[in-house]
Amino acid sequence: SAVISQKPSRDICQRGTSLTIQCQVDSQVTMMFWYRQQPGQSLTLIATANQGSEATYESGFVIDKFPISRPNLTFSTLTVSNMSPEDSSIYLCSVEGVSGVNTGELFFGEGSRLTVL
Amino acid sequence: AQSVTQLGSHVSVSEGALVLLRCNYSSSVPPYLFWYVQYPNQGLQLLLKYTSAATLVKGINGFEAEFKKSETSFHLTKPSAHMSDAAEYFCAVSGSGATNKLIFGTGTLLAVQP
Repeated sequence: SAVISQKPSRDICQRGTSLTIQCQVDSQVTMMFWYRQQPGQSLTLIATANQGSEATYESGFVIDKFPISRPNLTFSTLTVSNMSPEDSSIYLCSVEGVSGVNTGELFFGEGSRLTVL
Repeated sequence: AQSVTQLGSHVSVSEGALVLLRCNYSSSVPPYLFWYVQYPNQGLQLLLKYTSAATLVKGINGFEAEFKKSETSFHLTKPSAHMSDAAEYFCAVSGSGATNKLIFGTGTLLAVQP
């Protein structure tokens, strides 16, 4: 398993501002994933962050709105830019299992709960 | 393409009663299937996973799930509900041998009545 720490755990933001969420993992992982969980809904994958290359975004998500950094194998950031109330969500960082065996299992941080006023 | 469908967004059971949460999947490749639990104000925790070994999978907290290829199902069960089981449960699918990208169902909120 992996221990994943996210900061901030929650924040209240003003419309039009940007916020950067940090994700720190206690072991080196190849891929890190950013998910969004809108109120009362399931998780939607935003992008996959690979170290040393640009993030891969899912349909409906763009780099200008959700820029991602992945400077090393244990850290990533997700920025939510020019926020609107529709961006109020829980943002979750996740990583693949670190056993070296690809089973599809992901481990999740506790999430960053953003409220945009 | 892969997807999961969870039948019932809300399920309520009495303490001590059987818990049954339904999940059906669609996958063009042999799937890996997962159940995650989310307690209030917390992240997701893996309950159990199916990765093409035994079709009956046992997880934490007394939960288990059975992979039924003929029914494309992976329902989650627990013989006797406990108050602490109240949480939201998500079924998820990924393609075996592919990326670790998980596709989640819409979730089922389980309420346990005393």
